[in-house]
Amino acid sequence: EVQMLESGGGLAQPGGSLRLSCAASGFSFSNHAMSWVRQAPGKGLAWVSAVSVTGITTRTYYADSVKGRFTISRDNSKNTLFLQMNGLRAEDTAVYYCAKDRVVVPAALGYFQDWGQGTLVTVSP
Amino acid sequence: SYELTQPPSVSVSPGQTASISCSGDKLGAKYVCWYQQKPGQSPVLVIYQDTKRPSGIPERFSGSSSGNTATLTISGTQAMDEADYYCQTWDSSTSFYVFGTGTKVTVL
Repeated sequence: EVQMLESGGGLAQPGGSLRLSCAASGFSFSNHAMSWVRQAPGKGLAWVSAVSVTGITTRTYYADSVKGRFTISRDNSKNTLFLQMNGLRAEDTAVYYCAKDRVVVPAALGYFQDWGQGTLVTVSP
Repeated sequence: SYELTQPPSVSVSPGQTASISCSGDKLGAKYVCWYQQKPGQSPVLVIYQDTKRPSGIPERFSGSSSGNTATLTISGTQAMDEADYYCQTWDSSTSFYVFGTGTKVTVL
């Protein structure tokens, strides 16, 4: 059974930092691209960032709203996905989901087969 | 940036057909998938690559895509289908995944 468990959410001050983790099990983690998707309270889904499988070149992708502030990474030895969030803003307040992609590199054929349960990030003074 | 537009809400009577549209520039040339999200739960994939259903998804869920519009159809809608639905595609010009604005389906 595929399972993904996010952690690391909580309350942060504007300008502060948080590091989210997503522990995966039940599938070959190293063979799938992974993404973070967020959902602000009462709002829709928004893709945040993606990382390809580890290879000669591990590719990372970021939405414009987080580029330069967030960093996605993965540790295949621990089956864990990370999101380092710096320079947090009030508009980053959301539930953050990790999502397992169908493909090895995000692309047209990609889609999110499985999702974690999410972790809440609140940015407030 | 690429945008996907959905109607905010769709109402349907039990047993009837619900159609949810997703509009975007030349969307028919891209692959589209659909997710269902019930209150307090994580999204669940219900359609991928325009028309395919993952295992475990009821046959009453179907998808189509042409021109600038993709459509999710729920035939014989049941009370359990009441949820928010999101379309999603890949924008190759920016290398972004893009979600639609979301549609709340109410079964009256």
